[in-house]
Amino acid sequence: AQSVTQLGSHVSVSEGALVLLRCNYSSSVPPYLFWYVQYPNQGLQLLLKYTSAATLVKGINGFEAEFKKSETSFHLTKPSAHMSDAAEYFCAVNFNDYKLSFGAGTTVTVRA
Amino acid sequence: DAGVIQSPRHEVTEMGQEVTLRCKPISGHNSLFWYRQTMMRGLELLIYFNNNVPIDDSGMPEDRFSAKMPNASFSTLKIQPSEPRDSAVYFCASTPGQSNTEAFFGQGTRLTVV
Repeated sequence: AQSVTQLGSHVSVSEGALVLLRCNYSSSVPPYLFWYVQYPNQGLQLLLKYTSAATLVKGINGFEAEFKKSETSFHLTKPSAHMSDAAEYFCAVNFNDYKLSFGAGTTVTVRA
Repeated sequence: DAGVIQSPRHEVTEMGQEVTLRCKPISGHNSLFWYRQTMMRGLELLIYFNNNVPIDDSGMPEDRFSAKMPNASFSTLKIQPSEPRDSAVYFCASTPGQSNTEAFFGQGTRLTVV
């Protein structure tokens, strides 16, 4: 069955530390992959997307993600966290049909 | 483009009342989605329209929920009668219709049924 899993519902990091959010998918064919961010009381905003071009994808706000087919993963990273990165992050997958399937989300807290 | 526009941003209603949520997709997008977000269930796809036609409504929770898209620039999600368990944030999203393109989300409508 096709699915998307985000490991860890909450992540707490210190300001300036590495942010690592994990996303794995289950599919027989490589899907299209996305990371979205949701700030409080806001809609979802696209951070970056993988569409089979480069495996390392750079997005907005200093985030990047690497597609690893062998691990069926699309983890999101940012080298140095900023207070403004506190938000909820969603991994989303399009299994070559019309809709996005979302992970459960990971809430990021940044400590001063 | 102003993006996907949803109204109202907040709605508080009494149980049993009819609620109508509205969405204006991005011009030129031919796919429209309604999602519901709750703490317990996360983001759930309720219904998908393509070229104004409902393609998949398997996520609509029950007959109290209905959605329409009378033209390419407008869609509604109606709940009649509303119940407290319908309290959630409802998002509308649109895409150009290709699977490798991202969905553009509106700001959402926060519905509270008391």
